[in-house]
Amino acid sequence: AQTVTQSQPEMSVQEAETVTLSCTYDTSESNYYLFWYKQPPSRQMILVIRQEAYKQQNATENRFSVNFQKAAKSFSLKISDSQLGDTAMYFCAFMKLNDYKLSFGAGTTVTVRA
Amino acid sequence: DTEVTQTPKHLVMGMTNKKSLKCEQHMGHRAMYWYKQKAKKPPELMFVYSYEKLSINESVPSRFSPECPNSSLLNLHLHALQPEDSALYLCASSQIPDRVASKRTGELFFGEGSRLTVL
Repeated sequence: AQTVTQSQPEMSVQEAETVTLSCTYDTSESNYYLFWYKQPPSRQMILVIRQEAYKQQNATENRFSVNFQKAAKSFSLKISDSQLGDTAMYFCAFMKLNDYKLSFGAGTTVTVRA
Repeated sequence: DTEVTQTPKHLVMGMTNKKSLKCEQHMGHRAMYWYKQKAKKPPELMFVYSYEKLSINESVPSRFSPECPNSSLLNLHLHALQPEDSALYLCASSQIPDRVASKRTGELFFGEGSRLTVL
């Protein structure tokens, strides 16, 4: 079984500043997917960013970027220029290449302060 | 806009009631999922349908009965539930897994969820 660890239960950031969420995982697979999902109070789970393990380049989506360290099994998410709408619970997730199952971390609640 | 639509958004039921949750997607995905989520916890996988056949059942109690009538629809039939079954139920869909990474993007697309309260 894959284990995904998010060690920060809660984080608070001032609007327009940067915050980094940590995620580590444990796997013996060489090819897999990593995701960050966002779940605002409105509750829909939305994909923020995706990383394929075979790609060395870190994924970026607008203000969201990841630092993928495959050897260290680390997958952190950086939110730049934080906005009030970024307030949500963020889940790191792992999926083996040929699998249905997403392994989620415990989640990090991010609050953006005005 | 959500591409996975769930109804109802809220449901309150007694322990003797029979009700159903419905999920619909039109993205051509052939894998569909039910998850259960408690407050401030990650979603827990309940069922996976692949090509309209039940592929994974994560030892879910029989009072939850899934059904996949066609490639776009997924139902979850509820009967004789317990108060501890109160939760957010999320439906999701995805492409079918493939060993070739480039053939699949991997992510699941989630609906907004159905908030279930069992009295």
